[in-house]
Amino acid sequence: DSGVTQTPKHLITATGQRVTLRCSPRSGDLSVYWYQQSLDQGLQFLIHYYNGEERAKGNILERFSAQQFPDLHSELNLSSLELGDSALYFCASSSRPNSEQYFGPGTRLTVT
Amino acid sequence: AQTVTQSQPEMSVQEAETVTLSCTYDTSESDYYLFWYKQPPSRQMILVIRQEAYKQQNATENRFSVNFQKAAKSFSLKISDSQLGDAAMYFCAYRSKGGNQFYFGTGTSLTVIP
Repeated sequence: DSGVTQTPKHLITATGQRVTLRCSPRSGDLSVYWYQQSLDQGLQFLIHYYNGEERAKGNILERFSAQQFPDLHSELNLSSLELGDSALYFCASSSRPNSEQYFGPGTRLTVT
Repeated sequence: AQTVTQSQPEMSVQEAETVTLSCTYDTSESDYYLFWYKQPPSRQMILVIRQEAYKQQNATENRFSVNFQKAAKSFSLKISDSQLGDAAMYFCAYRSKGGNQFYFGTGTSLTVIP
């Protein structure tokens, strides 16, 4: 158990809908990262937050947004969902900018 | 931007034997961090080992060790005495010092043959 929690574990929704994925980092970790892993693909970096501030953006679509709250949990919002958004979404946290990341169990999103 | 390349999509090894997974990366930075992550069928991402570029000594964690060749920008993972539980997808990752994102390779799927 990495100490990073993600909810829900599974999510099935229809095209055009909006969903929110939630992540709670390890205790004391200030950084939260979001990744997308499509079927049999590597991890695509989406976005990084540090102590509530956005630090870096990767290949994140405009339909996607994220935020980190004062209690350091983070939410990834996905809107106008398309079939291609079906993937495993990981959250990871780290304590310092130069430390390793610890990953949550992921949220499996299925868009039908 | 930094890139990470894993040129072996699939590898297999006999149980109890040794296997080496390759990773190369491209960077203009002198100080950075490299990682190997394991993703078993459960899809959980598990940190296997980490290497700091300024350290010449290769990192070791039990049966896992790396061969870090900074000049060649190579970072291979050696798994000794392979066990059935080592079967997984292995990802190599790069992070610049103070950098705000990780760069992952495309992964190597390791099969362990009993």
